[in-house]
Amino acid sequence: QTVVTQEPSLTVSPGGTVTLTCASSTGAVTSGYYPNWFQQKPGQAPRALIYSTSNKHSWTPARFSGSLLGGKAALTLSGVQPEDEAEYYCLLYYGGARVFGGGTKLTVL
Amino acid sequence: QVQLVESGGGLVKPGGSLRLSCAASGFTFSDYYMSWIRQAPGKGLEWVSYISSSGSTIYYADSVKGRFTISRDNAKNSLYLQMNSLRAEDTAVYYCARLSRMGTDYWGQGTLVTVSS
Repeated sequence: QTVVTQEPSLTVSPGGTVTLTCASSTGAVTSGYYPNWFQQKPGQAPRALIYSTSNKHSWTPARFSGSLLGGKAALTLSGVQPEDEAEYYCLLYYGGARVFGGGTKLTVL
Repeated sequence: QVQLVESGGGLVKPGGSLRLSCAASGFTFSDYYMSWIRQAPGKGLEWVSYISSSGSTIYYADSVKGRFTISRDNAKNSLYLQMNSLRAEDTAVYYCARLSRMGTDYWGQGTLVTVSS
């Protein structure tokens, strides 16, 4: 069974920078896994942020960026705002299958 | 604007059945793959199923294979999920989401399914 692993929680100060990562139990994450990133706030549906590693949706704030880092997919928030406090999920494609990471709870403090 | 509205959730007994619907608007429904994704209370997201634009390609997660059936009616701009042999562990909010070249780009607000005696 394929497992996608994210940091359970991270804390960042307002205005700071933080990187969330997404690892695969099958080995290094590459662009062929088409990493997607989503943000979810309490009581809301998830919102898409990043697709295919580093591509932003029209609504994605410029401070969010996606990349590959050390064999993992990564989501970097630069100049963090209080409203960025949320749960973040990555999604990887395994051929026909899709697997979400367990999520990272980001606290802005 | 793109809108996805789920319906059909509710309370059902273990072993029972439920059919979820997702009404789509604001885009050409027949051009897009569609999916169901669920989230158990207080837990993370789990991909359940997706279906191609024509319905010819379908994927199910192992956890629901043989019990759930995804389908679509392009004339009605609607996506469905028939859930049979429901278990307590199927309790979750079920989201309908659109798949495109830009990933899983739009999500509905979800419908809650509770499996309990």
